[in-house]
Amino acid sequence: KNEVEQSPQNLTAQEGEFITINCSYSVGISALHWLQQHPGGGIVSLFMLSSGKKKHGRLIATINIQEKHSSLHITASHPRDSAVYICAAYPYGGSQGNLIFGKGTKLSVKP
Amino acid sequence: DAGVIQSPRHEVTEMGQEVTLRCKPISGHNSLFWYRQTMMRGLELLIYFNNNVPIDDSGMPEDRFSAKMPNASFSTLKIQPSEPRDSAVYFCASSPPLGGGNEQYFGPGTRLTVT
Repeated sequence: KNEVEQSPQNLTAQEGEFITINCSYSVGISALHWLQQHPGGGIVSLFMLSSGKKKHGRLIATINIQEKHSSLHITASHPRDSAVYICAAYPYGGSQGNLIFGKGTKLSVKP
Repeated sequence: DAGVIQSPRHEVTEMGQEVTLRCKPISGHNSLFWYRQTMMRGLELLIYFNNNVPIDDSGMPEDRFSAKMPNASFSTLKIQPSEPRDSAVYFCASSPPLGGGNEQYFGPGTRLTVT
């Protein structure tokens, strides 16, 4: 079983819809990273969080340490949000290289 | 800031050839990571350096893979000899010296195809 699980694996939405991508992990973590990978392949860091909630534009990331769960929300989705969203966890006490990646959620937003 | 720079962006080579991938981290960052991404396995850490020193190379597939970081602004990942199963996108990332669990900044990747 992967230590970091994402759901759903694939998601298709209509433009304007509110989107939620979930990430659950089974290890204690010091931080969780949300990444975005566009069809062109580049990876962009969206959020790094260890507690609570962060917001950037239409993107919101939350984390519940007790429940070992994080969510990425996209409000008023747009076709340009179409990408693969990856969550990655830093295990507590681990080194920087111990990032554990989820398999990614492929989001497709239709106009 | 130019971000993490990788070269080449695409590489096509024949089985058995030597391949060298290059990375220039963001200036001031002291950790550098090499990742491989495939459809089957997703993103996998190959090796990471801290202050130019290899810290964890347990992800390096086998002796055909080697990585160096001769200085703070340059790293190479070499595959010799290359095999078709090495075909993947190879990402380099760097992070600043602020302790564990720091945000990593990814380069654009090198898409390697071994025929």
